[in-house]
Amino acid sequence: EIVLTQSPGTLSLSPGDRATLSCRASQSVSSNSLAWYQQKPGQPPRLLIYGASSRATGIPDRFSGSGSGTDFTLTISRLEPEDFALYYCQQYGSSPPYNFGQGTNLDIK
Amino acid sequence: EVQLVESGGGLVQPGGSLRLSCAASGFTFRSYWMSWVRQAPGKGLEWVANIKQDGSERYYADSVKGRFTISRDNAKSSLYLQMNSLRVEDMAVYYCTRGSGGYVIYWGQGALVSVSS
Repeated sequence: EIVLTQSPGTLSLSPGDRATLSCRASQSVSSNSLAWYQQKPGQPPRLLIYGASSRATGIPDRFSGSGSGTDFTLTISRLEPEDFALYYCQQYGSSPPYNFGQGTNLDIK
Repeated sequence: EVQLVESGGGLVQPGGSLRLSCAASGFTFRSYWMSWVRQAPGKGLEWVANIKQDGSERYYADSVKGRFTISRDNAKSSLYLQMNSLRVEDMAVYYCTRGSGGYVIYWGQGALVSVSS
């Protein structure tokens, strides 16, 4: 079973800043099968990135994903007010369980 | 438009049972793997179980294995989660989800399951 560790737990930044969120896997994620989600209070999560670097439909290009093997990164190039939220990574390579990371809280400084 | 609507949540005592249902519409239900994901109050996301298009393969998180059963009725475009021997730590919002190859594209609004005496 692959365990995902996200860092930092909380990231405090200002609108216009660049955000870098990390997701590290306990073993290699096959075929870079890594997704990122955004969740706002009272809402279900929204898919941002799949396949480590492919943006989901309708996701602005300020969101980008990178990485391979055990180390993955979500970058938000210039933070907008609506980007302050919780972010989760998930691996879906090989067979289930398709575990999630514990989340990074991106809040306004 | 894809819609996933959960029902069946509620309050149950520890050791009790509950069955969640998910009514799917807006897509060809029988063509997709389906999953349940849960989120305890103030906590992160936990993948619970998934089921293949024809029901021939089912997978579970270790935390629910032997107590929960995922099933589907393709004729009714419905997904189910039978939850037995419920524990306080099972208390969560349960999301019905549809994905593509493992990641989740569509989420329901969730059904709240409370476990308390």
